[in-house]
Amino acid sequence: SQQGEEDPQALSIQEGENATMNCSYKTSINNLQWYRQNSGRGLVHLILIRSNEREKHSGRLRVTLDTSKKSSSLLITASRAADTASYFCATDDNNDMRFGAGTRLTVKP
Amino acid sequence: NAGVTQTPKFQVLKTGQSMTLQCAQDMNHNSMYWYRQDPGMGLRLIYYSASEGTTDKGEVPNGYNVSRLNKREFSLRLESAAPSQTSVYFCASSPRDSRNTEAFFGQGTRLTVV
Repeated sequence: SQQGEEDPQALSIQEGENATMNCSYKTSINNLQWYRQNSGRGLVHLILIRSNEREKHSGRLRVTLDTSKKSSSLLITASRAADTASYFCATDDNNDMRFGAGTRLTVKP
Repeated sequence: NAGVTQTPKFQVLKTGQSMTLQCAQDMNHNSMYWYRQDPGMGLRLIYYSASEGTTDKGEVPNGYNVSRLNKREFSLRLESAAPSQTSVYFCASSPRDSRNTEAFFGQGTRLTVV
C-alpha cells in the first residue's frame, strides 16, 4: 500500500489566499519530500525535509514535519493561478521512495 | 541537459502483446525507479534499482519485469499486456547520496491496453 496519504484530496481557493495540504505516513522515514505535478506532466521536486528537521522554508513554501504524529504539511502562501497543480508527498526510508495519492489544488484568478 | 528521457510517449497495445518502455538518464544517478499513475491512486512503485546491476520489487510488480542495463538505462517490460495495465508510467532517477535524494522524473508514457 502507499506510504503517504494526502489530505484533502482536492482544494479550491482564490488567488492570494494560502493553501495548506497535509500528508500522513505509516513507517519511519529518513526524509519527506513534496512534489508538484502539472496536468499531463512529470513530477517536479519542491522541497525536502529531513527527519530531524521540524520546519523548512523555500520561497512561498513552508513545510513542517511531526515525526511523532507521522505527518507533514505544505503551506503555499499568497497563491497564484499558476500554482494550480497536484501536490504529492513522498516518503524515503532509505530503500525506496513512495508517494501518496496527492492533493489537487485549484487557484482561481 | 536532457535529464530523464522516456520512450515512447504514447502506446496502444492489444491484450497479450508485449512491449518495453525505455528510460535513460544523463545525470549519473545511482537510483532509478518505475512508477505507474492511475486516477485517484497517486504514484505506485513498480520496481526500483538502487545501483547498476540491482533491482528490487516495489508495491505493484506483478506483470512487469525490469532491466538495469547500465547506470544510464532502466527498462520496464510488459510480457503479456492486460487492460489492468492501462496507465501512465513514469521513470525517475535520484542520486541517493547522503546529501541529496531528490528525484527527477521523465515526462511519462501513456499506455492503453485494449
